Amino acid sequence: EIVLTQSPVTLSVSPGERATLSCRASQNVNRYLAWYQQKPGQAPRLLISGASSRATGVPGSFSGSGSGTEFTLTINSLQSEDFAVYYCQQYHSWPLTFGGGTKVDI
Amino acid sequence: QLQLQESGPGLVKPSDTLALTCTVSGDSIDSDGQYWGWLRQPPGEGLEWIASIKYSGNTYYNPTLQSRVTISIDTSKSQFSLFLRSVTAADTAIYYCGRRPYYNGWDVWGPGTTVTVSS
Repeated sequence: EIVLTQSPVTLSVSPGERATLSCRASQNVNRYLAWYQQKPGQAPRLLISGASSRATGVPGSFSGSGSGTEFTLTINSLQSEDFAVYYCQQYHSWPLTFGGGTKVDI
Repeated sequence: QLQLQESGPGLVKPSDTLALTCTVSGDSIDSDGQYWGWLRQPPGEGLEWIASIKYSGNTYYNPTLQSRVTISIDTSKSQFSLFLRSVTAADTAIYYCGRRPYYNGWDVWGPGTTVTVSS
């Protein structure tokens, strides 16, 4: 099983600032990595797939990078609606696995 | 526009079998190139993938749950289902159904259904 480790667990950022979230895989997943945003009481929302491709409707302030075992999600100029929990997930191999999440708060 | 909706009991007794159904609308459940699946999230915790199925019936299971889980699909009803046997309090969670195209993340989710295991 591929283990995904996200850091930091909590990231405190001011509105308008940039947030940088990390996801490290225990094995090479190439670029088969997705990022999700989850707000309280809601289902997760796909932000990024293929490590760097934004999903439909996702603002350009969200960008993903990386390959292999090291990945980054960057959120530029944080807006109030961006404060949420973010998860990475690999779909390189079964079983599908998620990281433990990073909470971005004010 | 593709939409998914979970249905099932909100309360299940320990040792019973949990049965959930996901109804697919707005797109065909029997088109190739996608997986249908179940995921869950215990209270205050992260996400866990449970199982996936293709329209052809090919199934994929999380090894940690495989001995207790069955996923099935009924293309005539545009539904797929999850059966989780011998439930315990540790199975208390929000259960989501979702769609994942090949080589992609889970791009469509149901709103989730809360399942509590308690006597």
